[in-house]
Amino acid sequence: AQSVTQPDIHITVSEGASLELRCNYSYGATPYLFWYVQSPGQGLQLLLKYFSGDTLVQGIKGFEAEFKRSQSSFNLRKPSVHWSDAAEYFCAVGDTGGFKTIFGAGTRLFVKA
Amino acid sequence: NAGVTQTPKFQVLKTGQSMTLQCAQDMNHNSMYWYRQDPGMGLRLIYYSASEGTTDKGEVPNGYNVSRLNKREFSLRLESAAPSQTSVYFCASSSLMNTEAFFGQGTRLTVV
Repeated sequence: AQSVTQPDIHITVSEGASLELRCNYSYGATPYLFWYVQSPGQGLQLLLKYFSGDTLVQGIKGFEAEFKRSQSSFNLRKPSVHWSDAAEYFCAVGDTGGFKTIFGAGTRLFVKA
Repeated sequence: NAGVTQTPKFQVLKTGQSMTLQCAQDMNHNSMYWYRQDPGMGLRLIYYSASEGTTDKGEVPNGYNVSRLNKREFSLRLESAAPSQTSVYFCASSSLMNTEAFFGQGTRLTVV
């Protein structure tokens, strides 16, 4: 069965430090991969997506993610975190073959001054 | 450009009451979805509509019904609310199934 795992329930980083949020998926073929961000009381907003091609994808707000097929991973990174990045981050996997998009449980990011 | 609009934003129901959550999108998207979000469980798909005129069950459809009223609107109905349906509900839409989704602001529902 398809699944998405975000191993870290929450992460705390200092402002200005680098960030990596982990995402592992289980899927038989090459999936469509997404990272969404949710600020408190808000809906989800797409940060970036991978469909095919270059395995390093750039997104909004200075985020990037790398698709590693051998590790079934799609980790999200940012070189320097800002206080406004504090939010919950969701990894998701889907495809156009009719498979329904599956979301991970989320990782809550705390940013300390 | 409003995107995806959900109403209401908050609702408290008594056990056994019914209600309908409304969702409308103005992006001419083909596909629409209803998710529920519970702490530690991410988003779980309740129902989806791949295109106008079709609806299908998602991961957790029990206790819910949906109607794809037209291309813009996709409603979620709770016929007899239960405390287990206390959750935050999100409507989303996408141009095609499983491509980038755009989300509404959510409806926080409490069933007492």
